[in-house]
Amino acid sequence: GNSVTQMEGPVTLSEEAFLTINCTYTATGYPSLFWYVQYPGEGLQLLLKATKADDKGSNKGFEATYRKETTSFHLEKGSVQVSDSAVYFCALSVSSGGYNKLIFGAGTRLAVHP
Amino acid sequence: KAGVTQTPRYLIKTRGQQVTLSCSPISGHRSVSWYQQTPGQGLQFLFEYFSETQRNKGNFPGRFSGRQFSNSRSEMNVSTLELGDSALYLCASSLAAQTNEKLFFGSGTQLSVL
Repeated sequence: GNSVTQMEGPVTLSEEAFLTINCTYTATGYPSLFWYVQYPGEGLQLLLKATKADDKGSNKGFEATYRKETTSFHLEKGSVQVSDSAVYFCALSVSSGGYNKLIFGAGTRLAVHP
Repeated sequence: KAGVTQTPRYLIKTRGQQVTLSCSPISGHRSVSWYQQTPGQGLQFLFEYFSETQRNKGNFPGRFSGRQFSNSRSEMNVSTLELGDSALYLCASSLAAQTNEKLFFGSGTQLSVL
């Protein structure tokens, strides 16, 4: 079946540290891949996406590269800030009954300390 | 442009009761999806409505139902509530039937079943 696996959190970092949140997926066909972020008390927001192999999505200093050979879409940021503290969700889009739907990973909580 | 609005923000019910949650999508958006978010299961897809028709359905029991009105507003109903239904229920809207384009999420309704 289709699924997304993320590294378990929480991930705790000091400000300006390097961030990696691992995400691997299982899917039939060629899904699009997404990272969503959820700040405390809010809904999810799209952070970045990639629609085909070797595409790199980027936004707000975050990057992720669609790796078909390793079925991965790891999220990275070179220097995190306290304001990046949130829950990050990896997701893939699959076709179901002629329509696409998003399947999310369990989420990884990131806590950044000054 | 107003975002996705969900009401109520918080809800407390007892086992056996039923509940109705409401979602108003972004103006012009015709697709509304519902997700259940729990610490243990992450984000689980409930269903998607487009132009008043259910297009996609997740693996939830028949106690969970929904509908969409002609103005694209959507309601979700859960009957015969169980303790395990305690969760954050998120609604998301998009322009077309859920595609590879981004979803816009509301802040959710936090349901507690006692």
